[in-house]
Amino acid sequence: DGGITQSPKYLFRKEGQNVTLSCEQNLNHDAMYWYRQDPGQGLRLIYYSQIVNDFQKGDIAEGYSVSREKKESFPLTVTSAQKNPTAFYLCASTHWRGGRANTEAFFGQGTRLTVV
Amino acid sequence: AQKVTQAQTEISVVEKEDVTLDCVYETRDTTYYLFWYKQPPSGELVFLIRRNSFDEQNEISGRYSWNFQKSTSSFNFTITASQVVDSAVYFCALSELNFGNEKLTFGTGTRLTIIP
Repeated sequence: DGGITQSPKYLFRKEGQNVTLSCEQNLNHDAMYWYRQDPGQGLRLIYYSQIVNDFQKGDIAEGYSVSREKKESFPLTVTSAQKNPTAFYLCASTHWRGGRANTEAFFGQGTRLTVV
Repeated sequence: AQKVTQAQTEISVVEKEDVTLDCVYETRDTTYYLFWYKQPPSGELVFLIRRNSFDEQNEISGRYSWNFQKSTSSFNFTITASQVVDSAVYFCALSELNFGNEKLTFGTGTRLTIIP
């Protein structure tokens, strides 16, 4: 079945360490997105990528980095510079046709990151 | 800048009651998409509906219905004869159709609890 796979589901990190969250999709979608979810704040966009080898900062990119070397994969690295990394992270993807996205976004099941 | 407001943080209703979730949006564009997503306890966001800004027809899908009114910038969601399985967090989202800046802006969500 097609879909988006995020791993791991739960992740614990010591302060000062970088950690990478995986996101893989087999939907042949062009665009991929990373969102952060905190209680009471909804989802906020971290980074997004419309094509391979290209990505743009979202609203809260500081302390995060991404890469898009393959169409199917969009890993997110939470660096030690991110001051409050404990959150729920969601990856999403959409089609991209003629310069337009905005078909429904498909979401993964999320990764819950806790800094200990 | 685009903004989505879901003023209802939490709602509880008894099973079989009808419930309406409010969504108010702000955008400078005349062309945009509106979405509703459901987030069950598992964490994954489930797509419910997408509405183009040019289409103000209300839509009904089973027990779900949506009321889109451009005059009041609202896109409200009604569940009729609610069931316990409807318990979840519901997000309203907006996407403007500007090339190169196509991303979803989410509201803060409404936690709906259906009491058996």
